[in-house]
Amino acid sequence: AQSVSQHNHHVILSEAASLELGCNYSYGGTVNLFWYVQYPGQHLQLLLKYFSGDPLVKGIKGFEAEFIKSKFSFNLRKPSVQWSDTAEYFCAVMDSNYQLIWGAGTKLIIKP
Amino acid sequence: DVKVTQSSRYLVKRTGEKVFLECVQDMDHENMFWYRQDPGLGLRLIYFSYDVKMKEKGDIPEGYSVSREKKERFSLILESASTNQTSMYLCASSKYPPQYFGPGTRLTVT
Repeated sequence: AQSVSQHNHHVILSEAASLELGCNYSYGGTVNLFWYVQYPGQHLQLLLKYFSGDPLVKGIKGFEAEFIKSKFSFNLRKPSVQWSDTAEYFCAVMDSNYQLIWGAGTKLIIKP
Repeated sequence: DVKVTQSSRYLVKRTGEKVFLECVQDMDHENMFWYRQDPGLGLRLIYFSYDVKMKEKGDIPEGYSVSREKKERFSLILESASTNQTSMYLCASSKYPPQYFGPGTRLTVT
């Protein structure tokens, strides 16, 4: 069965630190990949998505993610985080039935 | 902008009650989804629908049913609520990927 693994359940950083959140998936076919973010008290929002083409994908709010096919990875990055990036981040993969398979989420806390 | 609304943000029900959670989307999307979100477990798909009156079981359908009588509305029904159904329930809709989410309903069953 396909699965998505997010390596860290909790990450705590100081403002201006660089961020990388890991996401690995186990699915051998053509993949569509997503990162969603859920700010405290708000609904899930799409951060960025990868369907095909350039494996380096840029999203909203300065986030980017790199699809590395050989590593089955789609890590999320931001060069300098802000306090307002405190949120929970979810990685998801779309399977051949067009369903999303979700990671468990990573809670990111940015210390001011 | 896509708008997905859910009938309640917070709901408290007693064990054994029948519970209805409503979801409405305004973008004429064919696909609608119900998830539950629990800490450390991510999102788990309960049911989804590709068309009016059409429903498919997701990963955890037990104890739930759904209804889609109109394209814009997708209802989740807990026939007899139990304490292990205390959770955050998220509705989503899409035409193509990605899915767009509503604000969620935090249901507490006592």
